[in-house]
Formats: sequence, structure tokens, C-alpha cells
Amino acid sequence: DQQVKQNSPSLSVQEGRISILNCDYTNSMFDYFLWYKKYPAEGPTFLISISSIKDKNEDGRFTVFLNKSAKHLSLHIVPSQPGDSAVYFCAASAWGGATNKLIFGTGTLLAVQP
Amino acid sequence: NAGVTQTPKFRVLKTGQSMTLLCAQDMNHEYMYWYRQDPGMGLRLIHYSVGEGTTAKGEVPDGYNVSRLKKQNFLLGLESAAPSQTSVYFCAIAGTPSSYNEQFFGPGTRLTVL
Repeated sequence: DQQVKQNSPSLSVQEGRISILNCDYTNSMFDYFLWYKKYPAEGPTFLISISSIKDKNEDGRFTVFLNKSAKHLSLHIVPSQPGDSAVYFCAASAWGGATNKLIFGTGTLLAVQP
Repeated sequence: NAGVTQTPKFRVLKTGQSMTLLCAQDMNHEYMYWYRQDPGMGLRLIHYSVGEGTTAKGEVPDGYNVSRLKKQNFLLGLESAAPSQTSVYFCAIAGTPSSYNEQFFGPGTRLTVL
């Protein structure tokens, strides 16, 4: 059973426009969420995170929104740049086990067209 | 990916052969993780370690063994490789969480089992 879901396998956006990547989760114990970015032949790199006590976190062009009642989070990239083209993974964690384990979604391939 | 190295980068095995993947870190982090990435499946946790001398099972541990004899190294072993273990393997590290910590990933090992 997939606890973290990214229902869009791919997304294509024009350069300069907004990219919106979505993620849904089922486990109400998750209270920390992260986005990772992955280029081909490289490991994932951390992008941005949000705690469940917040509903928004912003870092430059990247903003993550969390809607706890809907168990939904989204990553907004504004403006999108060709270098943003990559696979984006959503991940979730539940505090309490002291293991820092992450559950990942299946990823969304973002293509930013020049 | 600075601070986390994986050896080897590529490997081709025949069914039934054994091998060990090495993850090494120079960041003095306590937590280390092994993931596999398969198309349409995201990253799935195989085994993890919360400190030197400790290991624990993740989501998909069957067919793998691990050891953490030294803090800086986390080894993933395949005793008898199967074609289902064809995948890209990523190692990740994280600091001891007094609060949440993002995980830092290595560059990956691409393994093919024929």
C-alpha cells in the first residue's frame, strides 16, 4: 500500500511559468515532509521541507504548501527554469521512532521547455 | 552528494553470484540507509543503521544483508543475486535527529543481474 503518492508521473511546463507538483499521503502519523530533486545518474538532493505545524515554507523560487486536512502537499516552482528539469520525489516521516526513516513517493518527471 | 561515496558505480552479476556494495561517509553522521530505486516504485528502504554496530530492516529487506562495523561505512550484501535485484542502489546518511534532519544521498550503484 503506497503511503505517499505522486499521481502525475510527468509534467511539462514552459520556461518562466509556474510548476506545481503534487503529493498525497495516507498515514496521519506523518508530520514532516520533504522534497528531493534527482538528475539522471546522480543521487537525490534535498530541496525543501515542511513541518506539520506549518502550512507553507518558502525558499527562493521554491514553496511547499501543506494541507493537513486533505493530506496533500504541493511544491511550487516560480519561475521555472530549464535547469529545474529533473525527477522530483516527495517524502514523509513520522517523528517518534528516532530513526529518521523516510517514505518516498514514486516521483514526478518535470520537463521545463525553453 | 559531497561526503557520501558508493563503490562500485556499476556492476553486472550472474544469477547466484554474491557481491557487497560499500557506502562510505566523511560527515560523521550516525544514521545510514540503503535504498533501491526501481521504475515506477520510487525509493524503497532496504536496511538502515542508527549507529555503529546496529542494523535494522526497512521495507524490502529480503535477499539483502548489511553490516556497520565502523561508523563511517555501511555495507550492503547480496548473498545470491536474483534478476529481481536489478536496480539502482542509493546510500543515504543523516545526523542524529534532535529535530528532523534531511538525508544526504550518495551517487548510486547501478546493478544488473542476468
